[in-house]
Amino acid sequence: GESVGLHLPTLSVQEGDNSIINCAYSNSASDYFIWYKQESGKGPQFIIDIRSNMDKRQGQRVTVLLNKTVKHLSLQIAATQPGDSAVYFCAEDPSYGKLTFGQGTILTVHP
Amino acid sequence: DAMVIQNPRYQVTQFGKPVTLSCSQTLNHNVMYWYQQKSSQAPKLLFHYYDKDFNNEADTPDNFQSRRPNTSFCFLDIRSPGLGDAAMYLCATSTGQGRNSRNFGPGTRLTVT
Repeated sequence: GESVGLHLPTLSVQEGDNSIINCAYSNSASDYFIWYKQESGKGPQFIIDIRSNMDKRQGQRVTVLLNKTVKHLSLQIAATQPGDSAVYFCAEDPSYGKLTFGQGTILTVHP
Repeated sequence: DAMVIQNPRYQVTQFGKPVTLSCSQTLNHNVMYWYQQKSSQAPKLLFHYYDKDFNNEADTPDNFQSRRPNTSFCFLDIRSPGLGDAAMYLCATSTGQGRNSRNFGPGTRLTVT
């Protein structure tokens, strides 16, 4: 369902540090997961996805980890840069066309 | 580059005055979605089209309508905007084949005065 919240979780890191953003999903039937990055005033941008038959997937500077036992998803960003500052949303898909977004986390990278 | 385009990027309308937001895509995707995103919240799906088949979410108010005259274009009509409809409206596409992510447009920021 829809996430509701006026106070998004925040994560502040220094440039060059690694960042870990966490997400708990709700539907045990979800078998496809996506991480999106949304910069201020822009639409969400695809970062990386993972299917439930995997527990880890790597991209360029990003890694997604999936723990189905506890219904937990994380996004790891290596060597975080100021340009990584944005809101990060996880999304779960229990069936075609029913993508549901998580609450979102604000990442702030300090130079 | 193939993309999702939304016009206008910013729209101001008066309370109760109908407004239409536009979305076009050059990806030739079968599915087009409209999401509403309020401040500090996640995008919320309003409805989507799979080709010409319209799929409304159960909790989408009747005040919101959509049209898809062809593969490339999709419109969001708000018949009588209220102050609570002020939000970012996001259009997205997907192929509809297998599992794939949404391709989002830049959004239209709607202000209701």
